[in-house]
Amino acid sequence: GESVGLHLPTLSVQEGDNSIINCAYSNSASDYFIWYKQESGKGPQFIIDIRSNMDKRQGQRVTVLLNKTVKHLSLQIAATQPGDSAVYFCAENTGHQAGTALIFGKGTTLSVSS
Amino acid sequence: GAGVSQSPSNKVTEKGKDVELRCDPISGHTALYWYRQSLGQGLEFLIYFQGNSAPDKSGLPSDRFSAERTGGSVSTLTIQRTQQEDSAVYLCASSPDRGSQPQHFGDGTRLSIL
Repeated sequence: GESVGLHLPTLSVQEGDNSIINCAYSNSASDYFIWYKQESGKGPQFIIDIRSNMDKRQGQRVTVLLNKTVKHLSLQIAATQPGDSAVYFCAENTGHQAGTALIFGKGTTLSVSS
Repeated sequence: GAGVSQSPSNKVTEKGKDVELRCDPISGHTALYWYRQSLGQGLEFLIYFQGNSAPDKSGLPSDRFSAERTGGSVSTLTIQRTQQEDSAVYLCASSPDRGSQPQHFGDGTRLSIL
């Protein structure tokens, strides 16, 4: 889940800015974390994932940071583009329960204006 | 096909009717998941299949919900005696095997109960 203090339901940025989307997770036993992007009328699309033995992982224009001490996960998008506008979900699992089903946060809607 | 395929993409039915939703996972993926997404919310786990093992039904909200997976491939989610609160997007995901990530999602079935 996502804590009230860290989760912003919406984020508006200008094209070219860097975006940071935050997520707090609830289970200290979680060992796998993932970010999905969901566009209107579509299913969630995998962006990037990270395991608990790492604290940073980079992809193309995206970086995921994991802070296990405070149970915080963030997604950084560099040089945000209008096509990045979507709802972004973080998810976690432990690999030991419910058949490794993912537990999703509520999502952050990213709006990019040009 | 290349991705997870779900049908129908939209379904409108009257309260009290039964509905069947279909999921065709990525070829070769042995793990299959059903999730439900209510309007503006994150995804809620429903049920998980892994190969020929008994499914994990721990997320099903009531005994009106059931699912099958025939031949280890296609899955059908059935909702009996539908209620208005069943209105949601039903999403299916698959992954190569248990514990394997990421899960790949279809575009879902948007179910509307009148």
